Amino acid sequence: KQEVTQIPAALSVPEGENLVLNCSFTDSAIYNLQWFRQDPGKGLTSLLLIQSSQREQTSGRLNASLDKSSGRSTLYIAASQPGDSATYLCAKTNQAGTALIFGKGTTLSVSS
Amino acid sequence: NAGVMQNPRHLVRRRGQEARLRCSPMKGHSHVYWYRQLPEEGLKFMVYLQKENIIDESGMPKERFSAEFPKEGPSILRIQQVVRGDSAAYFCASSPQPLESRSYNSPLHFGNGTRLTVT
Repeated sequence: KQEVTQIPAALSVPEGENLVLNCSFTDSAIYNLQWFRQDPGKGLTSLLLIQSSQREQTSGRLNASLDKSSGRSTLYIAASQPGDSATYLCAKTNQAGTALIFGKGTTLSVSS
Repeated sequence: NAGVMQNPRHLVRRRGQEARLRCSPMKGHSHVYWYRQLPEEGLKFMVYLQKENIIDESGMPKERFSAEFPKEGPSILRIQQVVRGDSAAYFCASSPQPLESRSYNSPLHFGNGTRLTVT
C-alpha cells in the first residue's frame, strides 16, 4: 500500500524562524512530487512541483527537495511570516501515474 | 483564465437523496481528478477522468458513486442514496496533461471544493 507520511502533524513557531517540513513515502516509484498549501475551508494552492529527474525546486522563500532513494522530501520555509499559517500537504504520484497520493499534512502556525 | 470551478460550494441533502457535484476544469485542461476530504483525514483520491473516459476509479466506492466527464460540459460526481458518512468536502482538480507524462511540469490545479452535509 502506498503511503505518504508527514511529520510533524502540527508546528508552532514565532515569526522569522526558518523551518523544515518533512514528507516520507514508502514507494520510490515516482513521476513527480508536489507541495500544496490549504487554508481553512479553502481548496489547495500549489506551491512547488519536483519532477522525478529533479532534486529540488525553489520559489521565493520556499525550497523543496526530493530524495527518491530514501523516499523523502522536505519543504524549507525561510523567515516565516504569520501569513504562512496554513496546512501544508505533500503529494506524490501513485505507481500508475494516474493520481496524486496525499499525506495528512502539517498544520503550521506562525505567531507575530 | 478562470481556475477550476466547482459548484455548489455547499450542498445539504437528506439521507436517501441524490447529490450531484459539478466541476469545470481550467481552460485547456482535459484531465480531471476527484478527491474526498473527511474531517481529520487527508485527501483521498476517488477517480481520474479524461474527456468521455474513466481512466482510474480505484478510489471510488463500488456502490452509489459514479463520475462522468462528457465531451461537452462539466465533470459530474454523482452520489446516490446519500448516507451520513458521505458528509465531506469533495475537491476537483485538473491538469493539461497526464501526471505520468515525462514532460509534466504543471501543478495540479484544485477547485475550492463542495462541502456536502447529509442530514
